[in-house]
Amino acid sequence: DSGVTQTPKHLITATGQRVTLRCSPRSGDLSVYWYQQSLDQGLQFLIQYYNGEERAKGNILERFSAQQFPDLHSELNLSSLELGDSALYFCASAVTGPGANVLTFGAGSRLTVL
Amino acid sequence: AQTVTQSQPEMSVQEAETVTLSCTYDTSESDYYLFWYKQPPSRQMILVIRQEAYKQQNATENRFSVNFQKAAKSFSLKISDSQLGDAAMYFCAYRSGGTSYGKLTFGQGTILTVHP
Repeated sequence: DSGVTQTPKHLITATGQRVTLRCSPRSGDLSVYWYQQSLDQGLQFLIQYYNGEERAKGNILERFSAQQFPDLHSELNLSSLELGDSALYFCASAVTGPGANVLTFGAGSRLTVL
Repeated sequence: AQTVTQSQPEMSVQEAETVTLSCTYDTSESDYYLFWYKQPPSRQMILVIRQEAYKQQNATENRFSVNFQKAAKSFSLKISDSQLGDAAMYFCAYRSGGTSYGKLTFGQGTILTVHP
């Protein structure tokens, strides 16, 4: 157990629907990162939050949004789902400040869009 | 923008033998960190080893070691005494240093097969 908790583990839904993926970071970690892993795109950085504020954005579609709550858990919202959104979505958390801060990953949420 | 390239989509090794996975990166930064992550069939991303760019000494973690060539921007992973449990996808990753809260940029991955 990495200490980063992601729910749900698996999710099957239809095109056009909306889903929410949830992530609880390791205790003490203020930064949360979301990644998408698909066969054709590899591991793509989506977005990062630090202590409730958005810090960096990657290749995140406008149909996707995220937030980090005061208790530091984060949610990734995916709307108007398309077949191509089927992927494994990872959350990772990290301590802050300088140094080789290691990102610790959750087990991922596998999304299948039919 | 930084890029990470893993030129070997697949590698195989016999159990107990040694294998080296290649990684090159492109950056104009002087302060950064490099990582190797392992993704077994369970899909969990597991840190294997990390290297600070300012350190000349290559990192080692038990059977895993790296060959960090900063000038060549090369960061290879050597797995000694390979075990069946080492079979996985291996990702090389880059992270900016300093006080950046930077993301990891991953390579495309190398699938490692270990033959008994």
